[in-house]
Amino acid sequence: AQSVAQPEDQVNVAEGNPLTVKCTYSVSGNPYLFWYVQYPNRGLQFLLKYITGDNLVKGSYGFEAEFNKSQTSFHLKKPSALVSDSALYFCAVRAPFTGGGNKLTFGTGTQLKVEL
Amino acid sequence: ETGVTQTPRHLVMGMTNKKSLKCEQHLGHNAMYWYKQSAKKPLELMFVYSLEERVENNSVPSRFSPECPNSSHLFLHLHTLQPEDSALYLCASSLGLVNTGELFFGEGSRLTVL
Repeated sequence: AQSVAQPEDQVNVAEGNPLTVKCTYSVSGNPYLFWYVQYPNRGLQFLLKYITGDNLVKGSYGFEAEFNKSQTSFHLKKPSALVSDSALYFCAVRAPFTGGGNKLTFGTGTQLKVEL
Repeated sequence: ETGVTQTPRHLVMGMTNKKSLKCEQHLGHNAMYWYKQSAKKPLELMFVYSLEERVENNSVPSRFSPECPNSSHLFLHLHTLQPEDSALYLCASSLGLVNTGELFFGEGSRLTVL
């Protein structure tokens, strides 16, 4: 069975500082990894994904994430946080070639709060 | 404007009511999904449809009944719900089932069961 852990319910960071939102995963085989963001009263929006290749992937709004196979992690990062980045962030994983649907397993989400 | 539209955005219903949630995608996708989002819990996949055929049903109580009349529309029919069913119900679509692409989500229908 595949699973995702987001160990922090909330991350607070000052605007202009770097931010990291942590994610670890468990899956059979090489994982497909995703980050989604949810702004208040909205649905989830895709940020970035890792399928194969370079371990550092870049996504929307200046976010990036680093795939670390040995640590089974896929932490989300941004060099300089903005107040507008405040939102709920979800990490998701799926195993390749799973039948029965594009079955993503999501974490519980991390609330990011960026303050002035 | 999102490519996936959900109506209604908010719904309050009693335990004996019957209501439906509607989802429409304008992206030409072939797969559609219902997810349940409750506070502090991972998103729960409820149903998956591919080309109007249900391919997954994750042990969802029968008081939730999905319907997919075509690849652009997805419904979730609700009847005799329980207060613990109160949650945000999210519809999503993807280009196909087995692919490396992302899911496109609607803005959700906030359901409150009294």
